Amino acid sequence: GDSVTQMEGPVTLSEEAFLTINCTYTATGYPSLFWYVQYPGEGLQLLLKATKADDKGSNKGFEATYRKETTSFHLEKGSVQVSDSAVYFCALSGKAAGNKLTFGGGTRVLVKP
Amino acid sequence: DSGVTQTPKHLITATGQRVTLRCSPRSGDLSVYWYQQSLDQGLQFLIQYYNGEERAKGNILERFSAQQFPDLHSELNLSSLELGDSALYFCASSVEPTGVSYNEQFFGPGTRLTVL
Repeated sequence: GDSVTQMEGPVTLSEEAFLTINCTYTATGYPSLFWYVQYPGEGLQLLLKATKADDKGSNKGFEATYRKETTSFHLEKGSVQVSDSAVYFCALSGKAAGNKLTFGGGTRVLVKP
Repeated sequence: DSGVTQTPKHLITATGQRVTLRCSPRSGDLSVYWYQQSLDQGLQFLIQYYNGEERAKGNILERFSAQQFPDLHSELNLSSLELGDSALYFCASSVEPTGVSYNEQFFGPGTRLTVL
């Protein structure tokens, strides 16, 4: 079945540092890929998405490119802020599985001033 | 604010009991999804309803059941509760499942269930 693997955290960074969170997936066909963010005490918010190979999703300074050849969707941000401290989830939605989301284990990011 | 509401926010109960979690989707959304977030299992899809009908099932235990009502709100019923059922339960909604393109899912704030 579908699965998502992302790097384990926690990831601790200083403000203005570069952030990368690795995500790889296994799925049949051509899934849609997502990054969700969960701030402390809140639900999940969609951060960005890509629905086909080579698409680049971007939002709030975060970017991720859908790489079918490496089955990856790594999240990057060039200069993090304290407010980016959260848990980040990589997820996919496979057409064969309807619209349900399959999530990775989540990566906690802590940005220190 | 995603527009998805969930009640209650917190629920504390004892083993063997039964609880009902409620979700109201965004206005206009026909699909409701339930997810469980626990420390050992991570975020897992439980079940999906579309316009009142069950559409997909995931790792949902037989002790758990759900339904979607004509006004499109949904309830997740958890019975014979065990310690391991303690988790955050999220509801999400989307416009409709198409099977061709993805409809963004909007998540509620979750219900934290603690089973003592």
